[in-house]
Amino acid sequence: DAKTTQPTSMDCAEGRAANLPCNHSTISGNEYVYWYRQIHSQGPQYIIHGLKNNETNEMASLIITEDRKSSTLILPHATLRDTAVYYCIDRNTGNQFYFGTGTSLTVIP
Amino acid sequence: GAVVSQHPSRVICKSGTSVKIECRSLDFQATTMFWYRQFPKQSLMLMATSNEGSKATYEQGVEKDKFLINHASLTLSTLTVTSAHPEDSSFYICSVTQAAMNTEAFFGQGTRLTVV
Repeated sequence: DAKTTQPTSMDCAEGRAANLPCNHSTISGNEYVYWYRQIHSQGPQYIIHGLKNNETNEMASLIITEDRKSSTLILPHATLRDTAVYYCIDRNTGNQFYFGTGTSLTVIP
Repeated sequence: GAVVSQHPSRVICKSGTSVKIECRSLDFQATTMFWYRQFPKQSLMLMATSNEGSKATYEQGVEKDKFLINHASLTLSTLTVTSAHPEDSSFYICSVTQAAMNTEAFFGQGTRLTVV
């Protein structure tokens, strides 16, 4: 079962940074936090993942709190194409990815 | 390029018939593949973990006789929806991943099943 909680929806102005929070208070020491997004009627797209250090790639940055109980995905300059449902996933030791309800992000022109 | 190929992308079938969905891992040999189902405006629900050469592991509440999974090779897993009914209409998605905890899962483009 999913062990993460996220806000149901968020809006962000185009060109601004989108900050998407996630709580994963029951995460175990060796479990990674993964972020995916899903655009309507497509398969989920990988964004980024991390264990305890902050991570950055060409798509986004991931900030993980020191206690690892929460994280924030940052899209530095949101575009209209970033409108999607964003899922924060706590990958378990069985390698399964259980999806929570996700955050529906709408980027507004 | 695509790592996972799922086929077909859309299928319409009559009630009572069976439908097979294929999931192929293109870039690496996948000992484990996963099958998800997604209803409109809902999240992905993990149905089963498909293990190469052995029986699939089904999540609680998923009927194994209804959703037959065959993982006969390291690059192919199939999901067969048997005796389909309109309530089985859904978006079915497969994924593949490698065993290491710090490797991402790759998802197929999904199959839209409509049972009429």
